[in-house]
Amino acid sequence: QVQLVESGGGLVKPGGSLRLSCAASGFTFSDYYMGWIRQAPGKGLEWVAYISHTTGAMYYGDSVRGRFTISRDNIKNSLHLHMDRLRAGDTAVYYCARPSLSRSSSSWSHWGQGVLVTVSS
Amino acid sequence: QSALTQPASVSGSPGQSITVSCTGTSDDIGSYDLVSWYQQHPGRSPRLMIYDVTERPSGVSNRFSGSKSGNTASLTISGLQAEDEADYFCCSYAYGRTFPYVFGTGTKVTVL
Repeated sequence: QVQLVESGGGLVKPGGSLRLSCAASGFTFSDYYMGWIRQAPGKGLEWVAYISHTTGAMYYGDSVRGRFTISRDNIKNSLHLHMDRLRAGDTAVYYCARPSLSRSSSSWSHWGQGVLVTVSS
Repeated sequence: QSALTQPASVSGSPGQSITVSCTGTSDDIGSYDLVSWYQQHPGRSPRLMIYDVTERPSGVSNRFSGSKSGNTASLTISGLQAEDEADYFCCSYAYGRTFPYVFGTGTKVTVL
């Protein structure tokens, strides 16, 4: 079955950096877009970024563009999110997600358990 | 990016039907049949309930249905059950924005 397991979260000071990873299994990773979605404590869902499985095209939410970088390794079946210049507002649970259908990014049927990132001095 | 508008809360008694609305614009919901709905219980990851406005993934109860009229999408839960109490988020493709998709503000569904 599809499994997405995030890692790399933790406490980081404002201005610092962190790298999240997502290990994928149970499906052909290279057939799917992959993405990161976050949720601040007590708040709604917010798009962070997603990446194409073929062209490598990357799409970023307004609040993270220029600070975060999404990448993927289709050999190691892994997704990454490198986060720079972190701010208190980046504090959230970060979910790794996979769309329902290959070659589509319009609905996301598989989610990891989430990893908490806390930005605080 | 501005979020789609959902009511903060909707409630109903067991067995009743409720509808959660999701209002956007002609640049998102109004022009594309790419609306999805997610259910999230406290402390859990979101779960896809509806995609492409009306389609239900395998394993989702047929008590959940989706529809769209103009710039507003709706999620209807019929035969409300205690386990349906959760937060619900809509999401739509959004043409012309700096990011192609946008989530709704979220609705807390309470079973009385």
